[in-house]
Amino acid sequence: AQRVTQPEKLLSVFKGAPVELKCNYSYSGSPELFWYVQYSRQRLQLLLRHISRESIKGFTADLNKGETSFHLKKPFAQEEDSAMYYCAHLSGGYNKLIFGAGTRLAVHP
Amino acid sequence: NAGVTQTPKFQVLKTGQSMTLQCAQDMNHEYMSWYRQDPGMGLRLIHYSVGAGITDQGEVPNGYNVSRSTTEDFPLRLLSAAPSQTSVYFCASSYGPDTQYFGPGTRLTVL
Repeated sequence: AQRVTQPEKLLSVFKGAPVELKCNYSYSGSPELFWYVQYSRQRLQLLLRHISRESIKGFTADLNKGETSFHLKKPFAQEEDSAMYYCAHLSGGYNKLIFGAGTRLAVHP
Repeated sequence: NAGVTQTPKFQVLKTGQSMTLQCAQDMNHEYMSWYRQDPGMGLRLIHYSVGAGITDQGEVPNGYNVSRSTTEDFPLRLLSAAPSQTSVYFCASSYGPDTQYFGPGTRLTVL
């Protein structure tokens, strides 16, 4: 089965520190990968997708096919980045969006 | 534009009861889906639909039924509620399965 693994349940950093949220996938073909974010008392929303290779709110994510990873990075964390982050993968003939278990990012002042 | 709406926001059921979680969207999206969110397990896909009249199973479909008679609505039915179905349920819609717009969620407790 195609899986998305987020090994960290909680990542705690101080403001201004670099952040890397890990995501690994198991898929032998060309993956379609995404990061979704859920801020406190807000709806889950798309943060970025690998195909657009963009930076959103200072976050970037690079697809590494050799390591089957799609880690989310930000050089300087802000308190407002505190949220739940989910890595997701299109599966099932690109009809199903499968999520990882999520990582809670806590940025402390 | 209301986006994706879900009712109710909260529900408490007794084991064996049935109920329907409502989901509606006003964005004319073809793709709709239902997820459950549980601590440590992330979001798991229950059922999805690629258009009116078409539904398919996700990762955890057992105990749930769906139908899609209109583009706007995608109700999720719990046939006989069990404590294991205690969760937060999210409905989502999109033009395709990738960039999905999520509803606010329904928190369900089964006693």
